[in-house]
Amino acid sequence: RKEVEQDPGPFNVPEGATVAFNCTYSNSASQSFFWYRQDCRKEPKLLMSVYSSGNEDGRFTAQLNRASQYISLLIRDSKLSDSATYLCVVNILNYGGSQGNLIFGKGTKLSVKP
Amino acid sequence: GAGVSQSPSNKVTEKGKDVELRCDPISGHTALYWYRQSLGQGLEFLIYFQGNSAPDKSGLPSDRFSAERTGGSVSTLTIQRTQQEDSAVYLCASSRGLAFDTQYFGPGTRLTVL
Repeated sequence: RKEVEQDPGPFNVPEGATVAFNCTYSNSASQSFFWYRQDCRKEPKLLMSVYSSGNEDGRFTAQLNRASQYISLLIRDSKLSDSATYLCVVNILNYGGSQGNLIFGKGTKLSVKP
Repeated sequence: GAGVSQSPSNKVTEKGKDVELRCDPISGHTALYWYRQSLGQGLEFLIYFQGNSAPDKSGLPSDRFSAERTGGSVSTLTIQRTQQEDSAVYLCASSRGLAFDTQYFGPGTRLTVL
């Protein structure tokens, strides 16, 4: 099982739609979680951290389910500018493998159409 | 403040040549990461520096790849005898190095090996 798994998409949605992405992780020692956004031919940028109690930032809501080992990102009232690839990122404290301590998913592509 | 910077932004080279890619992390960040991303693919971890500790080189794909970090700041990724499969975007990221810190990415160097 991959350490961080995401549906690659693409998710094609109309403007104004609500869309949700899920991400599963395999290491129960995972400590913190993030969603990054990557625009085409650009570097990844932090979108939001994911807290145990869930958190909201404007139209974006992130949820964490430790028992089932998944995190989610909900985007309400989609805008054309939301079109990007959304990367799920998991931080594992004292991770003994490679990659330092941040594990990146391969991303879910979102395309918002007018 | 200034973000992570990388140079050059684009590099075109001939097969067999050596290339050097540079990364200037955010001032005060002790952790520095190199990744590469091929077209349409996810991030591939290459190497991780944390403070004065020995770097985690476990992601380097071959002995043609090496990296240094001088004075705990600037890092150089060197690829010797480049091959066409080395063509990718090479991304550098830095973080404060604490357990739950997020990574901030530079704009990347797009390497094309002809």
